[in-house]
Amino acid sequence: AQSVTQPDIHITVSEGASLELRCNYSYGATPYLFWYVQSPGQGLQLLLKYFSGDTLVQGIKGFEAEFKRSQSSFNLRKPSVHWSDAAEYFCAVGAQPGNTPLVFGKGTRLSVIA
Amino acid sequence: GAGVSQSPSNKVTEKGKDVELRCDPISGHTALYWYRQSLGQGLEFLIYFQGNSAPDKSGLPSDRFSAERTGGSVSTLTIQRTQQEDSAVYLCASSLQGGPNEQFFGPGTRLTVL
Repeated sequence: AQSVTQPDIHITVSEGASLELRCNYSYGATPYLFWYVQSPGQGLQLLLKYFSGDTLVQGIKGFEAEFKRSQSSFNLRKPSVHWSDAAEYFCAVGAQPGNTPLVFGKGTRLSVIA
Repeated sequence: GAGVSQSPSNKVTEKGKDVELRCDPISGHTALYWYRQSLGQGLEFLIYFQGNSAPDKSGLPSDRFSAERTGGSVSTLTIQRTQQEDSAVYLCASSLQGGPNEQFFGPGTRLTVL
């Protein structure tokens, strides 16, 4: 069975600083990997996804993530954080061949300070 | 086009009452998922509909929970004899059929059981 670990419950960064949110997964085959963002009172919005091919994927809002099979990781990065990035971030894994329920991590809450 | 919609957005009920939560998926999406998000937790899969196939109910926490999907479109999640531990945000998502498609999430229904 799949599982996802997001080791950081809460991270605070200064506006303009770089960001890295960690995600480790457990799955026996090549997974489908997703990062979603949830702003207060909102549903989940997809930031980016990895299915195959290039292990560095670009997403919306200037985010990127790198799939590292050897480390079972899919960390989310942004070079310069904006105050509007404050939200809850969820990493999720899906099983092949797709269209299966996602398994989510517990989320990382990002706070941005001036 | 319209996204996934859910109603009601908020529901307050008394312990022991039955509740119905509704989800309208994106038109043309044959896959529909229900998840539950409890305070401080990630998203927990509940049930999954794919086209005309029998639903995957493996995530339902008890027999008080049930769901149906009429005409391959609208879905209703029913919780009978609600308990306080049922208080959570219930999220619905839909996706296209076939392959590792993105799940689009609705805004959720916040259920509070008093």
